[in-house]
Amino acid sequence: NAGVTQTPKFQVLKTGQSMTLQCAQDMNHNSMYWYRQDPGMGLRLIYYSASEGTTDKGEVPNGYNVSRLNKREFSLRLESAAPSQTSVYFCASSETIEQFFGPGTRLTVL
Amino acid sequence: QKEVEQDPGPLSVPEGAIVSLNCTYSNSAFQYFMWYRQYSRKGPELLMYTYSSGNKEDGRFTAQVDKSSKYISLFIRDSQPSDSATYLCAMKGGGNKLTFGTGTQLKVEL
Repeated sequence: NAGVTQTPKFQVLKTGQSMTLQCAQDMNHNSMYWYRQDPGMGLRLIYYSASEGTTDKGEVPNGYNVSRLNKREFSLRLESAAPSQTSVYFCASSETIEQFFGPGTRLTVL
Repeated sequence: QKEVEQDPGPLSVPEGAIVSLNCTYSNSAFQYFMWYRQYSRKGPELLMYTYSSGNKEDGRFTAQVDKSSKYISLFIRDSQPSDSATYLCAMKGGGNKLTFGTGTQLKVEL
């Protein structure tokens, strides 16, 4: 039982490049989330998916897109990366109260 | 003003001390109050949660919620070096979304 997995663990991009962060969970949870974590800002919700086939914006969606590929997988895409998107990105999943987090992706945009 | 306020610390205590971590909030709709622990370079993990007001104890950890004051606390008794981590409060009303505090960095020294 791997829980929530994220790839890649680290990534360095140049301004304007695109990339997709991958997330998968094996707990059969309906809800999945993408957060970013910055010093002094805590965890901020980017997008979430309450169930397969649905996605909604969170607190900081600008510059990001998401795809809920199936019940297991939820990807986050940066179409044109900016230095302001340098952050640690966490994916999470939940069925009831508790959200289970992945190990994170450390992204640097130069 | 943020919906959830949390002192970022850092907080440094000697081994065996009682630690008190706190959050205040402004949204009266919050019903679930959670504490997550995050070790360095890892994803957050749920420590415990409380529904509505009252206390909840789990081993050395006690969570308290005072909805009338919009104030929640986490107490750690007999603190250990292994408790050194960042502690994030999180709150939830209706729906799936959590609102996080910025986290308090705790160091327990030998």
